[in-house]
Amino acid sequence: DTAVSQTPKYLVTQMGNDKSIKCEQNLGHDTMYWYKQDSKKFLKIMFSYNNKELIINETVPNRFSPKSPDKAHLNLHINSLELGDSAVYFCASSQGQGHLQETQYFGPGTRLLVL
Amino acid sequence: SQQGEEDPQALSIQEGENATMNCSYKTSINNLQWYRQNSGRGLVHLILIRSNEREKHSGRLRVTLDTSKKSSSLLITASRAADTASYFCATAVWGAQKLVFGQGTRLTINP
Repeated sequence: DTAVSQTPKYLVTQMGNDKSIKCEQNLGHDTMYWYKQDSKKFLKIMFSYNNKELIINETVPNRFSPKSPDKAHLNLHINSLELGDSAVYFCASSQGQGHLQETQYFGPGTRLLVL
Repeated sequence: SQQGEEDPQALSIQEGENATMNCSYKTSINNLQWYRQNSGRGLVHLILIRSNEREKHSGRLRVTLDTSKKSSSLLITASRAADTASYFCATAVWGAQKLVFGQGTRLTINP
């Protein structure tokens, strides 16, 4: 009965490959997020979706494309992976529309290593 | 520099002692939240304090907010080995529709 789940947990791949990370939440939340945590533990938001609609798109390379098939899922596809994409990617969700910045519930993270 | 900055970056204390972490921010906020991250895990929400609140308690946690100084502190009393983790403050900036996280304080509780 995991609240926010991500797959895979670990992802090791070669530069130039395309990969996807999946996220699902069973909390009934309306808003979902993708964050990137670098090696210095700095956590930065990448995208947020509310009811399948894109709300936030930070200055992220367009090689990163989020897709929300329904409000319980937010997947992240990354094209042409680069060494600098190596990081831990976290999915999160929250109730409401996101504009009140409610409590967020995080998934366990996907550790991406690009070789 | 970041919206939320924690201080100190690392803290090591003996079990049973109190741990205090501070967070400073720059712009007006709707609320400020504290999260804990155990090694290799996701972030877990600890406490949310709104801009019109000054202090909040949850178990062994005490959070204060001083909007005039744009700062917050997290106090963990009677620390336990299980409290070893990184602690992040996150600010909910008015109109920004997102939380902005600091780099965290890495807390180590020595048995």
